[in-house]
Amino acid sequence: GQQLNQSPQSMFIQEGEDVSMNCTSSSIFNTWLWYKQDPGEGPVLLIALYKAGELTSNGRLTAQFGITRKDSFLNISASIPSDVGIYFCAGQRTSGTYKYIFGTGTRLKVLA
Amino acid sequence: DAGVTQSPTHLIKTRGQQVTLRCSPKSGHDTVSWYQQALGQGPQFIFQYYEEEERQRGNFPDRFSGHQFPNYSSELNVNALLLGDSALYLCASSPLWGGEGTEAFFGQGTRLTVV
Repeated sequence: GQQLNQSPQSMFIQEGEDVSMNCTSSSIFNTWLWYKQDPGEGPVLLIALYKAGELTSNGRLTAQFGITRKDSFLNISASIPSDVGIYFCAGQRTSGTYKYIFGTGTRLKVLA
Repeated sequence: DAGVTQSPTHLIKTRGQQVTLRCSPKSGHDTVSWYQQALGQGPQFIFQYYEEEERQRGNFPDRFSGHQFPNYSSELNVNALLLGDSALYLCASSPLWGGEGTEAFFGQGTRLTVV
């Protein structure tokens, strides 16, 4: 099935460092979402973006909806050990359908 | 307020068998979607139910079927299980109107292993 391209695939960082990851698509989306998934759990929504160019923050997390509507970026500032997990982007073409296309995931490991 | 609940949490089945997974949506949500997440991959959309009908379907064979009940809970059925059906099955609930702030909430998933 279709999946969005996420990079990097995985990253090791030191506690306190900032983290950046991105997600790209060959087609346009009307909504971009970022989820975090811990082992054995379902994805938890972090940030939702609805307009091209939109920049939205949630605590130490900041995400942007690319102006081409084909990409999105997530930044985590001052990482802490509990940021460990897998981060997924997801795109939605039509509101109300909830047919999300997910990315391949970025696995984040934070070294204390 | 309970979130999305799924049962069972783990399941082991033999090839060729049939399985039923269950989902109760978050309070106030009337739309249920099912996703399959293979190990190391992102979730893949299976189908969405609203008003007891399948409204959208992803690229999955007819062996995958579902049902939604009047109380909005849902079941996912998989027939003639294959080894490749081993995955985490996620249920997500949401309100249908789909405006800003109505994103899908996911359950913890059911881990299905086919042997």
